[in-house]
Amino acid sequence: EIVLTQSPGTLSLSPGERATLSCRASRRVTGTYLAWYQQKPGQTPRLLIFGASSRATGIPDRFSGSGSGTDFTLTISRLEPGDFAVYYCQQYGSSPYTFGQGTKLEI
Amino acid sequence: QVQLQQWGAGLVRPSETLSVTCAVSGGSFSDHYWTWIRQSPGKGLEWIGDITHSGATNYNPSLTSRVTMSVDTSKNQFSLKLSSVTAADTAVYYCATSVGSWAFDIWGQGTMVTVSS
Repeated sequence: EIVLTQSPGTLSLSPGERATLSCRASRRVTGTYLAWYQQKPGQTPRLLIFGASSRATGIPDRFSGSGSGTDFTLTISRLEPGDFAVYYCQQYGSSPYTFGQGTKLEI
Repeated sequence: QVQLQQWGAGLVRPSETLSVTCAVSGGSFSDHYWTWIRQSPGKGLEWIGDITHSGATNYNPSLTSRVTMSVDTSKNQFSLKLSSVTAADTAVYYCATSVGSWAFDIWGQGTMVTVSS
């Protein structure tokens, strides 16, 4: 199975700053089938990005995804208070589909 | 818009079978893969497997010996059973699907299942 490793484990930033989250795969992700999710405490994960760089419905353009092959990045251009959460990457190109361990974005 | 509503027993004894069901509303039951995912503090998010409306399944090899998924097309529901549970199976169990992105853009509300005697 493809192992996804996210870094950093915790990212401490302030509102208005730019956040860069990394996701590295143990082998090439098929077809850039890489997604990013946001999860706040007590809530279900919310899809932000699919296909490595396409924003899901209703996701503001402050969120952008990039990458291919084994290296992917989620960028949040100007952090807002509601962005502080845990972010997960996930590959859905090769079964079993797998998730990264998460990056906690904190103030 | 597809919506998922799930339910199941919140407490299961070790060695018994965990069961969770998910009801689909607002969309075509035959158009999607119906997925189960779990989230535990120790292992994070884990894809359990998926099933189509016709009953074709794809399970995570790490769980395949204990997992059974099924569908009830007459009720637009799909279900998960996990047998011989241990404390390691304690988690929030989610049903989920994709409505076009192939990623999981629709989730149920989650069912917390605790394995304990």
